[in-house]
Amino acid sequence: RKEVEQDPGPFNVPEGATVAFNCTYSNSASQSFFWYRQDCRKEPKLLMSVYSSGNEDGRFTAQLNRASQYISLLIRDSKLSDSATYLCVVNYVGDMRFGAGTRLTVKP
Amino acid sequence: GAGVSQSPSNKVTEKGKDVELRCDPISGHTALYWYRQSLGQGLEFLIYFQGNSAPDKSGLPSDRFSAERTGGSVSTLTIQRTQQEDSAVYLCASSLVSGNQETQYFGPGTRLLVL
Repeated sequence: RKEVEQDPGPFNVPEGATVAFNCTYSNSASQSFFWYRQDCRKEPKLLMSVYSSGNEDGRFTAQLNRASQYISLLIRDSKLSDSATYLCVVNYVGDMRFGAGTRLTVKP
Repeated sequence: GAGVSQSPSNKVTEKGKDVELRCDPISGHTALYWYRQSLGQGLEFLIYFQGNSAPDKSGLPSDRFSAERTGGSVSTLTIQRTQQEDSAVYLCASSLVSGNQETQYFGPGTRLLVL
């Protein structure tokens, strides 16, 4: 079993759609959680951290369920520029584990 | 401020040659990671440094791969006797560990092509 598993995708959605990504992790001692975004042929860039209480940044909402070892990312009113691969990242200090990523394509 | 930088940005080499990849982390970041990413694939962890020491070398794919970090700053990843399957993007990331919190910031990567 992979340590971090994500929806395989790809997700193809029209502009304005709401899309949700899910991620599960196996290490219950994990302490920090993140969503990264990676554009084609670019390095991953931090999108947002994920906090236990859930957090929102504009159109993006991240949630964490420690009991179920589950993380989610919700994108509302999707834009063409949201097209990218979204990586779920789970950390126990010094041990960063990346999911394989879910590819999102937003179409006009 | 300055982010993580890597050099060279692109490297083309012949099979059997040695290559050295460099990473300059964000100033003050104590942790440094190397990853490899093949086309269309996820990130493959290679090695992690905390300061100058490497507590986790488990990801290095073979003994042809080695890495060092000096002065708690710059790191080099060396691949000896390169093979075609070594072709990939090599990404470096640095982070500042504060308590239980750690956030990684990536460099732009070095694209390695072994002919």
